[in-house]
Amino acid sequence: DQQVKQNSPSLSVQEGRISILNCDYTNSMFDYFLWYKKYPAEGPTFLISISSIKDKNEDGRFTVFLNKSAKHLSLHIVPSQPGDSAVYFCAASEMTGTYKYIFGTGTRLKVLA
Amino acid sequence: GAGVSQSPSNKVTEKGKDVELRCDPISGHTALYWYRQSLGQGLEFLIYFQGNSAPDKSGLPSDRFSAERTGGSVSTLTIQRTQQEDSAVYLCASSPRVDARYGYTFGSGTRLTVV
Repeated sequence: DQQVKQNSPSLSVQEGRISILNCDYTNSMFDYFLWYKKYPAEGPTFLISISSIKDKNEDGRFTVFLNKSAKHLSLHIVPSQPGDSAVYFCAASEMTGTYKYIFGTGTRLKVLA
Repeated sequence: GAGVSQSPSNKVTEKGKDVELRCDPISGHTALYWYRQSLGQGLEFLIYFQGNSAPDKSGLPSDRFSAERTGGSVSTLTIQRTQQEDSAVYLCASSPRVDARYGYTFGSGTRLTVV
């Protein structure tokens, strides 16, 4: 029972274009979401977060959008750079128990130079 | 230390043997987590330690898995009588507070292969 789903295992984007990574969740109790980035042979690193009281959070080239009614969030990277090539995981949690995040299966992003 | 340190980075073991995986969290981080990533899967929560509180073991897949955290710092994840389905990357993470809204800091993981 996957509570957090990333249905696209991979994505290729041209350098300079927008990358859009999608994530769906099923548990309506989730109210805090994170995106992590993972390079090969390294641990995931925190990228950006969003609370359910917001529908958008922006940090430089990275923006996360949350659509609560659709139980959907997305990560936009603009402009995409070759160094953004990595696996991206979304994760969700309930505020009351924010130590336990449920992760998706990840999307491998390849930015082509 | 500067980051979360895990050892060994790679471990190949024979089916039925016991293994121990070690995690050194960031100094001062009170919360420590173990996750694992099997092939084609997301990161699966295993166990959580917070200070002196009883750990949340709800994610441990079987009683062959156990973990401890000594002195509120170093943690060891032990898998007894390993099976091939235990093959995965085991990731340790720590955070400075129970409220992990700022995310965890992960180590590089231990890749366990059971042959």
